[in-house]
Order: sequence, then C-alpha cells, then structure tokens
Amino acid sequence: EIVLTQSPTTTAASPGEQVTITCLARSSVYNMNWYQQKSGASPKLLIYSTSSLASGVPDRFSGSGSGTSYTLTINTMEAEDAATYYCQQWSSNPYTFGAGTKLELK
Amino acid sequence: EVKLVESGGGLVQPGTSLKLSCAASGFSFNHYWMGWVRQAPGKGLQWIGEINQDSSTINYSPSLKDKLTISRDNAQNTLYLQMSKLISEDTAIYYCTRAVPPFDYWGQGVMVTVSS
Repeated sequence: EIVLTQSPTTTAASPGEQVTITCLARSSVYNMNWYQQKSGASPKLLIYSTSSLASGVPDRFSGSGSGTSYTLTINTMEAEDAATYYCQQWSSNPYTFGAGTKLELK
Repeated sequence: EVKLVESGGGLVQPGTSLKLSCAASGFSFNHYWMGWVRQAPGKGLQWIGEINQDSSTINYSPSLKDKLTISRDNAQNTLYLQMSKLISEDTAIYYCTRAVPPFDYWGQGVMVTVSS
C-alpha cells in the first residue's frame, strides 16, 4: 500500500496569503489528485493528474510535483477556501488518500 | 447535471449485512467506472472499491475485499455495495463516486452505523 503523508496537518492563513500543502508518497506515483472537503459536505475534485484544474475550480489553485513529492498551492487565500484538503493516488491498488490538511481562515 | 444519490444506510447490528444503492443520473452511466469511498466519523477518506462499465472488472481494497461485493445495474443506472460481517469499525459515511479516474463526482453520502 502506498502511504501518502500530508503536511501540515493543520494550518491557518489570512485572506490574500499564499498556502502550500505537501503530499509525500512512500513510493513513486504517476500523478496526484487533490480534493477539497468543506465541513458537512462531500469531497469535491480540485486538481487531477497533478496539475489540471477540475471544472469550475478557481485558478488561484494549482498543483505540481512528480515521483514522491506533490504540492497543492492556493495563490491567494479566500474565506471560502477554509476546508480540509486530501491528496490521492491512482497508481496502485488500494488507491490511497492522505490523512488530510485542515486549512482555517486566520 | 450529474447526480449520485445513495440510500440504504442506517443502524445495523454487528455481524449482519447491508446493501447500499446509488442512483445515478445526468450522464451515461454505462460509460463510466464507478466506485465507493467511505469516511469514518471525524476521520479521513478510504477507498473501498470500483467496478468497470460492464462489471467485468471489479477491484477492492485488499483490507476489505472479504466482506464486500460491488455490483451495478446499467439498465437501472444504479450502483450497489453489499457489505457483510459488519463491525463497529465499518461505521462511516459511504460515498458513491464516478471514477473516471479520478473521482470527479460524489454523492451526498449515506451513514452506516454498526452498533448493538
């Protein structure tokens, strides 16, 4: 099983600040997907294939990385971005998720 | 509009079985892989399994495969998840997903509580 380790576990940002979330894979993966989950809601696809924005996702979100290290960046934090973010790999069964990064508004 | 609506959850006794359904609409159901993901209360997401368009390929999480059966009815645009030998650790919200990959659409989830 490919374990995905996200950091930080929790973070807070002020409006306009840049936010970076890292996902490290124990083994190399082909690419990474990212999901956003707001409190009480279902997860929503944010970024797929490492760097492609899902439909309707604002372009302040971006993804990058390769091999075992991937990053989700929010260029300028907005209040509506407060949520938990999960990385997920599709390279190897089981298709594991990271434990999540909770992003709060400062 | 893509819609995935789960049903069949509730409170169940340990050791029993349960079958969840997911009604899909707004897209050509028989063209897509479909999957299930669960989330225990206050915890992260766990992939359960997936099924391809004609049910010829079904993949399960190795840690759960002995208690799961995923199936689909393309005529009814419905995905199913049957779980057996339920234990308290199976208590979770179960989400139906369209599995392109990635999981591009999610249902609202259905709660399953395993308790005596």
